Amino acid sequence: EVQLVESGGGLVQPGGSLRLSCAASGFTFSNYWMSWVRQAPGKGPEWVATIKHDGSEKYCVDSVKGRFTISRDNAKNSLYLQMNSLRDEDTAMYYCAGAPAGVGHRLGYWAQGTLVTVSS
Amino acid sequence: DIVMTQTPLSLSVTPGQPASISCKSSQSLLHSDGKTYLYWYLQKPGQSPQLLIYEVSSRFSGVPDRFSGSGSGTDFTLKISRVEAEDVGVFYCMQGIHLPWTFGQGTKVEIK
Repeated sequence: EVQLVESGGGLVQPGGSLRLSCAASGFTFSNYWMSWVRQAPGKGPEWVATIKHDGSEKYCVDSVKGRFTISRDNAKNSLYLQMNSLRDEDTAMYYCAGAPAGVGHRLGYWAQGTLVTVSS
Repeated sequence: DIVMTQTPLSLSVTPGQPASISCKSSQSLLHSDGKTYLYWYLQKPGQSPQLLIYEVSSRFSGVPDRFSGSGSGTDFTLKISRVEAEDVGVFYCMQGIHLPWTFGQGTKVEIK
């Protein structure tokens, strides 16, 4: 059974940092592009970042460039999102999601989400 | 950025009746590889989104055949042949041809 389990969310002050983790099982993690998608309260999903199966390329939305870093450890079947200089508008449920290599936008596997709240 | 526009924004459907959702993109989603990267997701209450349809019309694993997708270029449609109570939630279309991948604003489906 495919499982994606996130951790690391919580309450943080503006300007602070958080590191989200996503542990994968039930599929060959190293064959999948992995992404982070977030959803602000009452809003639709927003794609945040994607990393290729081998970590060779990364992509992210302009609003997080220079602040968020996506990474992965295939030996640990884990995905990460380092979030720095957090802003109020980063408040959202963050989901990790997976897609087969080469069709990284085919987000077939989703985690349950971890809530990030940026507030003073 | 490619803008995805869904209509209607909400839908109230009697169980057993059909439903249809439209999604229009601001640019063609036809890639040079011949594929069209349009996806449909359903987010049930309190859950994460789940993939229903990929590349316009292919059903994802385990998705009931009452869900079907069609369209080309910039105009797409999701159809539910007979709505069931478990279909309640918000449906989103998403494009994957150009970064940033973008979602429609969502169509909320409720049961009458």
